[in-house]
Amino acid sequence: NAGVTQTPKFRVLKTGQSMTLLCAQDMNHEYMYWYRQDPGMGLRLIHYSVGEGTTAKGEVPDGYNVSRLKKQNFLLGLESAAPSQTSVYFCATISRLAGSHEQFFGPGTRLTVL
Amino acid sequence: QKEVEQDPGPLSVPEGAIVSLNCTYSNSAFQYFMWYRQYSRKGPELLMYTYSSGNKEDGRFTAQVDKSSKYISLFIRDSQPSDSATYLCATLRVEYGNKLVFGAGTILRVKS
Repeated sequence: NAGVTQTPKFRVLKTGQSMTLLCAQDMNHEYMYWYRQDPGMGLRLIHYSVGEGTTAKGEVPDGYNVSRLKKQNFLLGLESAAPSQTSVYFCATISRLAGSHEQFFGPGTRLTVL
Repeated sequence: QKEVEQDPGPLSVPEGAIVSLNCTYSNSAFQYFMWYRQYSRKGPELLMYTYSSGNKEDGRFTAQVDKSSKYISLFIRDSQPSDSATYLCATLRVEYGNKLVFGAGTILRVKS
């Protein structure tokens, strides 16, 4: 089992360009999340999804959109990238089963916006 | 006020030392508290979690929650160079789709 995978691992964009980050999981988890991590700020939640076809905003949603068309995939889109979106992006998943408290994280995507 | 506050360090200790990592949280309704460990250029991994108040021990690691003071701690005994990582405290918000709210993370370096 691959667990949680993220594509791409690295990317450099110019201001105004768009891109989509892909998160894929093979654990059949219902809940999926996108976080960004910046120095000295921990991880902050961008958007999340509690099931296929549903999404919700997190703490820092501005400038991002998401889609969850399939249970195993969660896409994060940047329509017009800005330097402030330079960050490391992590996807995570968790089971909806009662007693499940561990979020499993992917390896991250390092994004630089010039 | 941030929901979870954590001193980012860095914290540097000699091998074998006892390490104490601490966080405070703002809302007395929080029930689930996690410690994640993150090695350089990797994703976070769950190290320990506690529910409500009290202590939980796992090998060299002890997690402690003091709800009266809204204080959470992680103790590492006999620290090893392999413990060098960023340690992130977090609370799990069950009422918001099980999202995690993280502290800033503390960078720990254990010197051999």
